[in-house]
Amino acid sequence: TQLLEQSPQFLSIQEGENLTVYCNSSSVFSSLQWYRQEPGEGPVLLVTVVTGGEVKKLKRLTFQFGDARKDSSLHITAAQPGDTGLYLCAGGGGGSNYKLTFGKGTLLTVNP
Amino acid sequence: SQTIHQWPATLVQPVGSPLSLECTVEGTSNPNLYWYRQAAGRGLQLLFYSVGIGQISSEVPQNLSASRPQDRQFILSSKKLLLSDSGFYLCAWSPLGGVGYFGPGTRLTVT
Repeated sequence: TQLLEQSPQFLSIQEGENLTVYCNSSSVFSSLQWYRQEPGEGPVLLVTVVTGGEVKKLKRLTFQFGDARKDSSLHITAAQPGDTGLYLCAGGGGGSNYKLTFGKGTLLTVNP
Repeated sequence: SQTIHQWPATLVQPVGSPLSLECTVEGTSNPNLYWYRQAAGRGLQLLFYSVGIGQISSEVPQNLSASRPQDRQFILSSKKLLLSDSGFYLCAWSPLGGVGYFGPGTRLTVT
C-alpha cells in the first residue's frame, strides 16, 4: 500500500511570512499533484509534477518533486490570507494504475 | 471545457434510509470516474472508481455501492445508511490515471 505523509498537519502564520510544507513517501510515484481545498468545497488542482527533480512555479507558490519521485514540497513566499486552506498532495501510480493516493493534508491559516 | 456536477449539495438522512448521490461530467468522453469520502476536512479515502460503463472497482468494504449507467454519470448508493456514513462525498474525473478534477461535493449527515 502506498502512503503519503504530509507535514506539518497544521500551520498558522502571519501575512507576509514564507512557509514550506512537505509530502513524503517510501514509494515511487509516476506523478504527484498538489491541491488546495477550502471549507465545504472540492479540492482544486494546483499543479502536477512528473519528472524527478522538477520544479514548477505558480506565482508565489513553488513546487518541487524529489529526484527519486518519492517526495515533494510546496513553498509559499509572502503568504496572504487568501492562501488559507487545506493543502493536499496526491500521488499517481501511472500506467494501468488509475488511482490517486492522498496525504491527510496540511491545514494552513494565514492571519492578517 | 470540462465541468463536473454533483447533487445534492447537502443531505440529511435518518439511519436506515436509502441513499443516492449523482455525479455527471460534461465536456469529455470516457473519463475515469471516482468517488471519495472525506472525514473531518482532512484526507480523502477512495471508495470506488470506474474506467468505463458498468465497470466498478471497490476500494473498501462497506454498505455503499456505485454504478455507472452512462459514460459520464456516476452514482453512489446505499440501501440502508449507517451513522458512520456521514461525511463529505466527492466525485472526481480523470482524463488519464493520476490526475483528478473534483466536483463541489455533497455533505451527508446521517442522524
